Amino acid sequence: AIQLTQSPSSLSASVGDRVTITCRASQGIRNVLAWYQHKPGKAPKLLIYDDSNLESGVPSRFSGSGSGTDFTLTITSLQPEDFATYYCQQCSTYPLTFGGGTKVEIK
Amino acid sequence: EVPLLESGGTLIQPGESLRLSCAASKFTFSSYAINWVRQAPGKGLEWVSGISTRGDKTYFTDSVKGRFTISRDNSKNMVYLQMDSLRAEDTALYYCAKELRTGAGDPFDIWGQGTMVTVSS
Repeated sequence: AIQLTQSPSSLSASVGDRVTITCRASQGIRNVLAWYQHKPGKAPKLLIYDDSNLESGVPSRFSGSGSGTDFTLTITSLQPEDFATYYCQQCSTYPLTFGGGTKVEIK
Repeated sequence: EVPLLESGGTLIQPGESLRLSCAASKFTFSSYAINWVRQAPGKGLEWVSGISTRGDKTYFTDSVKGRFTISRDNSKNMVYLQMDSLRAEDTALYYCAKELRTGAGDPFDIWGQGTMVTVSS
């Protein structure tokens, strides 16, 4: 199975900050990485698919980049509603796998 | 009416069986693969199982292979997860999720609100 390692596992940031979350895959993948936002008591929300495509309705402050084994989710100006846990997911090979998550907390 | 609605979660004893259901609406159900994802208390998301549009291909994470089966009824817009020989480590909130595009192995753009399964004596 392809393992996804996210870093950091948690971070504290302020409104307006630029936030970067990394996802490293155990083997090379291409155009198959997705990012989700998950808030307590809510369903996960798809943000980015195919490494860098913004899902419809997602604010443009979210972006995805990377290739091969190293991928990044960037939030350019953190908003109050962005405090949540973020997960990467690979859709290349079964079993599909998620990263361990990155919790973004208020500083 | 929500696009995906899970049901069937409950408190159940180790070794017993349980069937979860996922009812779909508001999209062309038969055109999309459907998956189950779970989140154990205090843990992250874990993909559990997926089923192709026609139900002829099914996929499972290693920890549930041989114990869980997935099926769908396109005439009823339903997906089922049959869970046998349940273990304490299967305790989790179970979500069903629709794939973004037709075909299997795609990210999930629509999720249900989840149904809780607690395995405990």
